[in-house]
Amino acid sequence: DQQVKQNSPSLSVQEGRISILNCDYTNSMFDYFLWYKKYPAEGPTFLISISSIKDKNEDGRFTVFLNKSAKHLSLHIVPSQPGDSAVYFCAAREDGNKLVFGAGTILRVKS
Amino acid sequence: DGGITQSPKYLFRKEGQNVTLSCEQNLNHDAMYWYRQDPGQGLRLIYYSQIVNDFQKGDIAEGYSVSREKKESFPLTVTSAQKNPTAFYLCASSSPGGTGELFFGEGSRLTVL
Repeated sequence: DQQVKQNSPSLSVQEGRISILNCDYTNSMFDYFLWYKKYPAEGPTFLISISSIKDKNEDGRFTVFLNKSAKHLSLHIVPSQPGDSAVYFCAAREDGNKLVFGAGTILRVKS
Repeated sequence: DGGITQSPKYLFRKEGQNVTLSCEQNLNHDAMYWYRQDPGQGLRLIYYSQIVNDFQKGDIAEGYSVSREKKESFPLTVTSAQKNPTAFYLCASSSPGGTGELFFGEGSRLTVL
């Protein structure tokens, strides 16, 4: 059973507009949530994280929102740029520093 | 530069052969991990190691083996018992505590012919 779900396989956004990527989870014991960005044939790179005791974390164009009651988090990218086109993975930390990943969302930013 | 080096980047194997993927890190991290990526399934944990000479099975360990004889190295062997070995393999490392951030290598693409 998937503990971390990204229900949108892909998202297409116009350059300059907002991109919103969503993630749902089932395990209330996760203590940190992370977003990774991945280009084809490369390793994922860390984008931003949020503690389970926070509801928002911001870093430049990237903001992550956490709604614990709904077990939902989202990544907002504003403004979106063509270089943001990649696969975005949501991940959640469980015991022992292990990360559980979602299936990923392909973001395409059109210029 | 500090980082994680995986080799080879591309590897072809005939059915029935074992193959070993290399992972070396110079970040002085205690923990190392192997994940597998398949289309539409995200990253799934194969094995992880929190300290030298110790490792644990992840969610999909069957058909794989690892060793952790040195802090810097965590090789993964894909054995002939692995039924669907064709995939993109990712090695990662982390330091204890913090936010749980993993640092990933560039990956190794294994294709079984």
